[in-house]
Amino acid sequence: AQKITQTQPGMFVQEKEAVTLDCTYDTSDQSYGLFWYKQPSSGEMIFLIYQGSYDEQNATEGRYSLNFQKARKSANLVISASQLGDSAMYFCAMREVTGANSKLTFGKGITLSVRP
Amino acid sequence: GAGVSQSPRYKVTKRGQDVALRCDPISGHVSLYWYRQALGQGPEFLTYFNYEAQQDKSGLPNDRFSAERPEGSISTLTIQRTEQRDSAMYRCASSSRPTVLTGGNTIYFGEGSWLTVV
Repeated sequence: AQKITQTQPGMFVQEKEAVTLDCTYDTSDQSYGLFWYKQPSSGEMIFLIYQGSYDEQNATEGRYSLNFQKARKSANLVISASQLGDSAMYFCAMREVTGANSKLTFGKGITLSVRP
Repeated sequence: GAGVSQSPRYKVTKRGQDVALRCDPISGHVSLYWYRQALGQGPEFLTYFNYEAQQDKSGLPNDRFSAERPEGSISTLTIQRTEQRDSAMYRCASSSRPTVLTGGNTIYFGEGSWLTVV
């Protein structure tokens, strides 16, 4: 089974509207971390937001928030007030820790296009 | 350094040649990862170090690929006898603490090394 699943096809959103990018994950660990990264056309990998499995509150970072539903194993990214510069590919990733090993596994990504 | 630095940024090599890709992590970062990313795909895990110890190399595709981090800082990913299918972006990432999962233990990526094998 895939560790991280991002199944949405390319997403489109109107400027200034909110958009939700879906991510589900699969793990048997109780302790893990979830990340979202943005990759614009320039190719950089930009960290957006992090959620620990034991964090009780949903993570927020400016216009980004993570809708964490542990029982459903989902960690959707919500971008509020979309801007043209938000057009990019977005990756969800999960970090699992086993002893001294800490592996970060990525999903296949979602392409977001913001329309003016 | 201020960020994760990778070199070369672009490398074109002939099939059969060996290639070495360098990663200089953020100063003091304990953990270092190597990933490979094809165009339009998510990064694919290759290998992982804590300090100088290679903790996991399960993602290295075959024995032509190797990585080292001899002093627990700079790392080199070496691809021997390159093949066209090795063409991809190779990314390095680092984080400050290997196993702590609380907020703030962010994993930072370098800009990547684009490898083209012709």
